[in-house]
Amino acid sequence: DGGITQSPKYLFRKEGQNVTLSCEQNLNHDAMYWYRQDPGQGLRLIYYSQIVNDFQKGDIAEGYSVSREKKESFPLTVTSAQKNPTAFYLCASSKLDTDTQYFGPGTRLTVL
Amino acid sequence: DQQVKQNSPSLSVQEGRISILNCDYTNSMFDYFLWYKKYPAEGPTFLISISSIKDKNEDGRFTVFLNKSAKHLSLHIVPSQPGDSAVYFCAASAHQAGTALIFGKGTTLSVSS
Repeated sequence: DGGITQSPKYLFRKEGQNVTLSCEQNLNHDAMYWYRQDPGQGLRLIYYSQIVNDFQKGDIAEGYSVSREKKESFPLTVTSAQKNPTAFYLCASSKLDTDTQYFGPGTRLTVL
Repeated sequence: DQQVKQNSPSLSVQEGRISILNCDYTNSMFDYFLWYKKYPAEGPTFLISISSIKDKNEDGRFTVFLNKSAKHLSLHIVPSQPGDSAVYFCAASAHQAGTALIFGKGTTLSVSS
């Protein structure tokens, strides 16, 4: 089945550590996105990528980094510079000729 | 400043009745609008969309209405079912393909049986 997978579902990190969240899609979509959701908030864009080896910062990119070495994969690293990393992280993908994005199941990151 | 606003954080409806979720936007460049449904601890699921060249789009129990002059759209669910209980997000795009959507903060719909 085609879809977007994110792993792990739950992630715990000690303060000061970097952590990488995985996002893989087999939909053959060119564009991929990372969003963050906090309680009572909408989805806020962290980074997005329209093509392999290229990505752009979203509204809240500080403290995060990404890579896009393969079309299918768009991992997100939450660095120790991110002041409030505890949140629900969502990955999405879309075709380049449409605005409809499809989301993965999400990763809940908790910093202890 | 929020470009997409969902001013009602919550809505309660009885099973079988109509649910109306509202969304306002400020950016006149937006020309494509989407509704997503989200359960707790899951990713949003695409429900229905509408282009600015239309004023209505229908898919089964779900209908989206767009009023461009008022910069307002609404999602109608008829009849409402308990399984519709979820958070509904409105999103908008300026239709530059591959760019990110702008989301509202969501409205929590509770459908009671």
